[in-house]
Parts: sequence; structure tokens; C-alpha cells
Amino acid sequence: AQTVTQSQPEMSVQEAETVTLSCTYDTSENNYYLFWYKQPPSRQMILVIRQEAYKQQNATENRFSVNFQKAAKSFSLKISDSQLGDTAMYFCAFMKEYGNKLVFGAGTILRVKS
Amino acid sequence: EADIYQTPRYLVIGTGKKITLECSQTMGHDKMYWYQQDPGMELHLIHYSYGVNSTEKGDLSSESTVSRIRTEHFPLTLESARPSHTSQYLCASSDLRGGNTDTQYFGPGTRLTVL
Repeated sequence: AQTVTQSQPEMSVQEAETVTLSCTYDTSENNYYLFWYKQPPSRQMILVIRQEAYKQQNATENRFSVNFQKAAKSFSLKISDSQLGDTAMYFCAFMKEYGNKLVFGAGTILRVKS
Repeated sequence: EADIYQTPRYLVIGTGKKITLECSQTMGHDKMYWYQQDPGMELHLIHYSYGVNSTEKGDLSSESTVSRIRTEHFPLTLESARPSHTSQYLCASSDLRGGNTDTQYFGPGTRLTVL
């Protein structure tokens, strides 16, 4: 079975600064997908970024980028130029190739301070 | 944000009542999912569907049932609500076709409280 671990229950960052959220996972699969989802307070969960395990290049989406280390089974999210609207719960998630379910980590609450 | 809707957004109900949580998506996605998000915020898959007339149980045992009579609609029913069912329920969908078949899009959730 796959597991996803987010070791930081809460993080804070000043507006305009950079923050990195950690995620590690455990799997015996070779091909899989990794995701970061964002859930703002009382709002919809939205996809932040997606990484295919067979791609060595780290995914980027505007101010969001990942550091994917397949051998170490690590998938951290870097948010650059943090904005107040980035305040949310961030979930790391795993899905094996041709899988049905997302396996979620426990989440990291990120607070961006002005 | 994706075109996936859930109603009601909030529901407070007494023990023993039958409830149905609605989920609809307008993206034509074949696969749909129900997740339960507990107070500690972890999410667990409770049901999923590959398409019309397909339903499967997820990892987390749930007393709820689902149906998939139409592609766009995936309601979840609790025949007799109990306080242990108090949780947030998230619906999601993904496309069987195209490049990102693994990517799931979530609805806004239904926060259920059973007294």
C-alpha cells in the first residue's frame, strides 16, 4: 500500500517570500503520479501542480514548482513570491499508474502573513 | 476551478434521517469519486465509479451507498444518518480519455453534521 507523509502540520511565511512544503511517499510502483492540491478555508480543493514520475524534469506552474526526487521518494512544493491568497491547506497526493484513488497526506496549513 | 457541483453545501440533520448528497459535473467525465474528509482534514476514498451503472467501494468502509444512472450525476445516500457520519464529503471527477486521465477535479464539498 502507498503512504504519503507531510511532516509539517503548519507553516507560516511572509508575503513575497518563498516557502517550501515537504512531502515524502512510500511505494513499490515504478510509474505513478504526484499532485499538490490547495484547499483554501471553506473553499474548493483545486489542483496546484502535477508530476509524472517517469519525467525527470520538475513541474512548474507560475509561482509554484516542485522538487521531485524519485530515488528519495520526495516531492516538495516551492511557492515563490507568496501572496495572501496562498493561505490554505496544502495536500500532497499520490496515484499509481492506471489507479483509481488518490492517496493523500495529512496536509500542511500554510499561512501567508502581511 | 472545475465544473463540478455539490449540494447542499451545509446540512445539519437529526439521527435516523435519510439523506442524499448530490454531485454533478458538466465536463463529461467518466470517472467520479466520493471522499470523506475527517476533522483532522485527511481524505479517504469511500466510493468511485468508472461510468454509468458502475460503482465500487473505496478504501474506507462507509455505510453510505452511491448510484450512477447518468454520466453527470453521482449521488451519495445515507439511509439512516448517525453522529459518526458527521464529516465533510468531497466529490471529484476525472476523464478516462485525453492526456491527464489521472487528474481529479473536486467539488466544493458538503459539510454534514448529524445531531
